[in-house]
Amino acid sequence: EPEVTQTPSHQVTQMGQEVILRCVPISNHLYFYWYRQILGQKVEFLVSFYNNEISEKSEIFDDQFSVERPDGSNFTLKIRSTKLEDSAMYFCASSGFGVSEQYFGPGTRLTVT
Amino acid sequence: AQSVTQPDIHITVSEGASLELRCNYSYGATPYLFWYVQSPGQGLQLLLKYFSGDTLVQGIKGFEAEFKRSQSSFNLRKPSVHWSDAAEYFCAVGSNFGNEKLTFGTGTRLTIIP
Repeated sequence: EPEVTQTPSHQVTQMGQEVILRCVPISNHLYFYWYRQILGQKVEFLVSFYNNEISEKSEIFDDQFSVERPDGSNFTLKIRSTKLEDSAMYFCASSGFGVSEQYFGPGTRLTVT
Repeated sequence: AQSVTQPDIHITVSEGASLELRCNYSYGATPYLFWYVQSPGQGLQLLLKYFSGDTLVQGIKGFEAEFKRSQSSFNLRKPSVHWSDAAEYFCAVGSNFGNEKLTFGTGTRLTIIP
């Protein structure tokens, strides 16, 4: 069964450093998303991406965040200068055309020290 | 703005007992409703979804949910729980056929006792 994959599974970085989280969505999907979950809290939407552009972003997704689909398979989330409060589990998701559910990857746990 | 309320933070049930997890949503148009399950340290797995049609939907692992528009609810049920059902359960609402952001509830942690 096709699945969304994410790398790395865990990343530790120092405050102020740049990080790139990588995702490979399901191959025939057209819509891509990033969500985050701070420990013990609910899953929060960050950004959605369709047709090579951002279709919606939340208030969390400020100028420190960016997304890119550099090739036909990868979808990345970049945090330019990490803060302690960026520590969270980051989930990538994708969905297909028409009526479709979102499939989530296993997540990347980001720890900012 | 869309929102989801899961009023029960933590539920404990005995193995073999029935289960109902509550979910209320707020959304102005036709909602697309989902239940996801998250085991400790794992990602989100889709249990079931409601887009339209029959208001009682069946999902994986023996779960079902009923959409009640009049009550703005989408409660998850299982007739007999297994120890492996212990996890965190999230209700979510979306739009545009599921291809826009999902808004999640705060989750319900399910504990199973022998």
